[in-house]
Amino acid sequence: EVQLLESGGGLVQPGGSLRLSCAASGFTFSSYAMTWVRQAPGKGLEWVSGITGSGGSTYYADSVKGRFIISRDNSKNTLYLQMDYLRAEDTAVYYCAKGSGSSTGGAFNIWGQGTMVTVSS
Amino acid sequence: SYELTQPPSVSVSPGQTASITCSGDKLGDKYASWYQQKPGQSPVLVIYQDTKRPSGIPERFSGSNSGNTAALTISGTQAMDEADYYCQAWDSSTVVFGGGTKLTVL
Repeated sequence: EVQLLESGGGLVQPGGSLRLSCAASGFTFSSYAMTWVRQAPGKGLEWVSGITGSGGSTYYADSVKGRFIISRDNSKNTLYLQMDYLRAEDTAVYYCAKGSGSSTGGAFNIWGQGTMVTVSS
Repeated sequence: SYELTQPPSVSVSPGQTASITCSGDKLGDKYASWYQQKPGQSPVLVIYQDTKRPSGIPERFSGSNSGNTAALTISGTQAMDEADYYCQAWDSSTVVFGGGTKLTVL
């Protein structure tokens, strides 16, 4: 069964850091681009960042550029999101999602259950 | 930056056809995807590459995309289809989501 399992969320103070992980199983992880999408409480979906299957190319929303870093370890079938200089507006459920190919441009056909990040003093 | 615009809400009676639109500049030149999200659940892909249904998605879900507008159509809408729906497209290596449409079946 294809599955994505996020972890690492929690409560952090403004200006703090968190690292999210997304453990993948049931498919050849290195063959697919991956992405992070977030959803603030009661709001819509917001794309955060994406990475190609090889990890050679990364992409960021303007709202997180320079603060977040996406990476992957294909030997561990795991996707990461390092989040620094967190702000209150980063509070959201963070989902990882699987792309439909190794490069960008496709739809996201598998989503994890999400992990909650709360930025508050 | 590129924007996708959806109506905030759409209502439909059970058994009728629901249509949810998604507007963006020259959207027809891009591929549109649609996601369904029920309360407390993760999004689920229901349409990709404008018109294709992933396995397991009922045939009553269909999509179109031309000009500046993509549309998700649900024929014979059922109570279980009540959910938020989001359109999505790529623009210059970034992902754009529409604001979402709450579909009410009443």
